[in-house]
Amino acid sequence: GNSVTQMEGPVTLSEEAFLTINCTYTATGYPSLFWYVQYPGEGLQLLLKATKADDKGSNKGFEATYRKETTSFHLEKGSVQVSDSAVYFCALSSGGNNRLAFGKGNQVVVIP
Amino acid sequence: GAGVSQSPRYKVAKRGQDVALRCDPISGHVSLFWYQQALGQGPEFLTYFQNEAQLDKSGLPSDRFFAERPEGSVSTLKIQRTQQEDSAVYLCASSLTGGTSYNEQFFGPGTRLTVL
Repeated sequence: GNSVTQMEGPVTLSEEAFLTINCTYTATGYPSLFWYVQYPGEGLQLLLKATKADDKGSNKGFEATYRKETTSFHLEKGSVQVSDSAVYFCALSSGGNNRLAFGKGNQVVVIP
Repeated sequence: GAGVSQSPRYKVAKRGQDVALRCDPISGHVSLFWYQQALGQGPEFLTYFQNEAQLDKSGLPSDRFFAERPEGSVSTLKIQRTQQEDSAVYLCASSLTGGTSYNEQFFGPGTRLTVL
């Protein structure tokens, strides 16, 4: 079946630091990959996506590249801001009904 | 409306009570999904509708869970004889079309269910 694994634990870093959140996946077929973000008090929002191998999704300074050879979709941002504090979820969908399989999420806290 | 809405936002139920959770998807969206999110976890798929047809209910954890979308728009998730393990946030999402894996799903704010 489909599954997503995110690195364990919250991430705390200072403003303007480099952020990486690791995501690896197991899937049948050719999945589409997503990063969703949940800001405090808000619902899940799509941050970026990639639908085929070697695609790079990007939005708001965040990037992630679909790596089929390593089954990974790591999220990166070069210089984080306090406003990036949120919970980030890696997800995939595969097959005809595009149900999403999510990782456990990573809480990111950016300190001024 | 501007987005997916859910009601109520919070629900407290005594163990054994039945609850009904409502989802209003974005107008015109064909696909509708329900997810369950336990504390500190990612959302887990429950069920999927394309218009009024429930095409996948493989994620429903027991026969106490029932979902419907009779007119292809509003959906209701019903939980009968609630148990403490049903305590979670229930998320609804909709997408414009169905049948492909890359369509964006738009999520509602969720209903936080607490079973005492």
